[in-house]
Amino acid sequence: QVQLVESGGGVVQPGRSLRLSCATSGFTFSSYGMHWVRQAPGKGLEWVAVISYDGNYKSYADSVKGRFTISRDNSKNTLFLQMNSLRPDDTAVYYCAKEGAGLASDHWGQGTPVTVSS
Amino acid sequence: QSVLTQPPSLSAAPGQRVTISCSGSTFNIGNNYVSWYQQLPGTAPKLLIYENDKRPSGIPDRFSGSKSDTSATLGITGLQTGDEADYFCGTWDTSLSVVVFGGGTKLTVL
Repeated sequence: QVQLVESGGGVVQPGRSLRLSCATSGFTFSSYGMHWVRQAPGKGLEWVAVISYDGNYKSYADSVKGRFTISRDNSKNTLFLQMNSLRPDDTAVYYCAKEGAGLASDHWGQGTPVTVSS
Repeated sequence: QSVLTQPPSLSAAPGQRVTISCSGSTFNIGNNYVSWYQQLPGTAPKLLIYENDKRPSGIPDRFSGSKSDTSATLGITGLQTGDEADYFCGTWDTSLSVVVFGGGTKLTVL
């Protein structure tokens, strides 16, 4: 079965960096686009970034453009999110999600919490 | 302010039918597939509907989706207390080249 497991979250000071990972199994990782989606405490879903199956196409939300970088290692079935210049409003649970038919996110990880605070 | 507009909350009694609306524009819903997600308290979102009206395997037919012009609707029949959750619509926005979500609808089953 499809499994997505995020890691790398934690508490970090404003202006610092953090790298999230999403280890996947149960599907052919190199054939699917992947997304990062976040959810601030008590708020709705906010899409963060997408990467194509081969890594050649990437797109970012305006709120993270220039600060976050999405990448993937198809040899290790792993998705990454490098987060630089973190701000308090980046505090959220970060989910990775597999892209399915119609660009829907058909499988989600359990999420990893990120808290940006001094 | 979300690009897609959903009612913040709805309530209905067990056994009843409820519809959740999602309004957008020609740049998103009007020209792209809509998906719907259910998020039970304290859990990750789960795909309910994809490509406007298709259900993934394991999703009961009590859940249905439809789309017309720049709006989409999620329908739930035979409401159960276990359907109490937040529901989100999502789609691609062609002009922004980003995924957009609705603000979410909190469904209460009284």
